[in-house]
Amino acid sequence: GQNIDQPTEMTATEGAIVQINCTYQTSGFNGLFWYQQHAGEAPTFLSYNVLDGLEEKGRFSSFLSRSKGYSYLLLKELQMKDSASYLCAVRDRSGNTPLVFGKGTRLSVIA
Amino acid sequence: DSGVTQTPKHLITATGQRVTLRCSPRSGDLSVYWYQQSLDQGLQFLIQYYNGEERAKGNILERFSAQQFPDLHSELNLSSLELGDSALYFCASSVSQAENTEAFFGQGTRLTVV
Repeated sequence: GQNIDQPTEMTATEGAIVQINCTYQTSGFNGLFWYQQHAGEAPTFLSYNVLDGLEEKGRFSSFLSRSKGYSYLLLKELQMKDSASYLCAVRDRSGNTPLVFGKGTRLSVIA
Repeated sequence: DSGVTQTPKHLITATGQRVTLRCSPRSGDLSVYWYQQSLDQGLQFLIQYYNGEERAKGNILERFSAQQFPDLHSELNLSSLELGDSALYFCASSVSQAENTEAFFGQGTRLTVV
């Protein structure tokens, strides 16, 4: 079966760094995606990892360890607008196949 | 703006009724995905179409059906609606067959069944 786990909620302070973890157990693996979703809005793509290691994109970085079935999203210099849900998703089959999403982590950034 | 358009944005209907949700993918995208998002659940994959043909099926109820038309827009039909069908329904599209292709999401249709 497919299982993607993330913490339900996290709180962090403006200007700080926060790490959102994701563990997955899927029948196959062809890439891991992170999306950001503000309440009631569409998810928007943040990052993609398929090889082990860290991918950096501005204030956001994403890490993957395939052997551990583990990823994290690192957000630096937090801003109030970063308050949102962060969704971890795995593509478990080859080709352009549907993403399997975790339930998301709701991040609250406080002053 | 992702380029994916969904209509209507909001829909309120009674139990037992039937509704149709519409999605226009980004220009040039051949794949369309439908997802359901309830308050206590994450994004649940329903169904995927690629260039007019059904490509993958998720946990889609038999009361639900979808299709993709020659102009690549897609419709999701929900029938015999129940209170538990109240949710946000998202459509997403993507262009290529490569694994690293991300999906672009529309703004969703919020369905409320009363």
